[in-house]
Amino acid sequence: GENVEQHPSTLSVQEGDSAVIKCTYSDSASNYFPWYKQELGKRPQLIIDIRSNVGEKKDQRIAVTLNKTAKHFSLHITETQPEDSAVYFCAAAETSYDKVIFGPGTSLSVIP
Amino acid sequence: DTGVSQNPRHKITKRGQNVTFRCDPISEHNRLYWYRQTLGQGPEFLTYFQNEAQLEKSRLLSDRFSAERPKGSFSTLEIQRTEQGDSAMYLCASSSTSAGDNEQFFGPGTRLTVL
Repeated sequence: GENVEQHPSTLSVQEGDSAVIKCTYSDSASNYFPWYKQELGKRPQLIIDIRSNVGEKKDQRIAVTLNKTAKHFSLHITETQPEDSAVYFCAAAETSYDKVIFGPGTSLSVIP
Repeated sequence: DTGVSQNPRHKITKRGQNVTFRCDPISEHNRLYWYRQTLGQGPEFLTYFQNEAQLEKSRLLSDRFSAERPKGSFSTLEIQRTEQGDSAMYLCASSSTSAGDNEQFFGPGTRLTVL
């Protein structure tokens, strides 16, 4: 089955700097790669996703890249703000409505 | 509230007791998913439904766990003879297979503590 790995497990950046989280997956059948943000005590919320027919996607300060050949995908957050502090999960699935396999998470702290 | 709802939000039980959780998905969403999340970990897939049909059940799910979605709307997850290792947040999500936005929306979760 699918296995998703994620690095780093914790990340601390100064406000205004960029943050990068990297993930790998194992199942070549995966074609959908969502990223979730989870604040303490709250539910995971989708912040951006990318499908296998696209190499890069951007939404304001957030961008994701996908290298399907290498089975790598990454999340980039620019101009970080304290409210970006949360746990971020990368994930993989065959489609957006199939079961989602999550990575172990990255705890991001943005220091004002 | 048109989001995914879960009840109860918290459940404390003694080892060996049975517990049942309920999930009400977003209206018109035909897919419903159950995940389990332990502290410091990512959500872990348990099972999912399309309408009333259970499509897949994780191998991690022991036979003490059973889930139903009898009318294709709300779902229940029952854990029999609870163990301390069952303590976790149980998350429900729903989505639609129709064209367009088919993102999975998560509920607030049910936090289970087994004493």
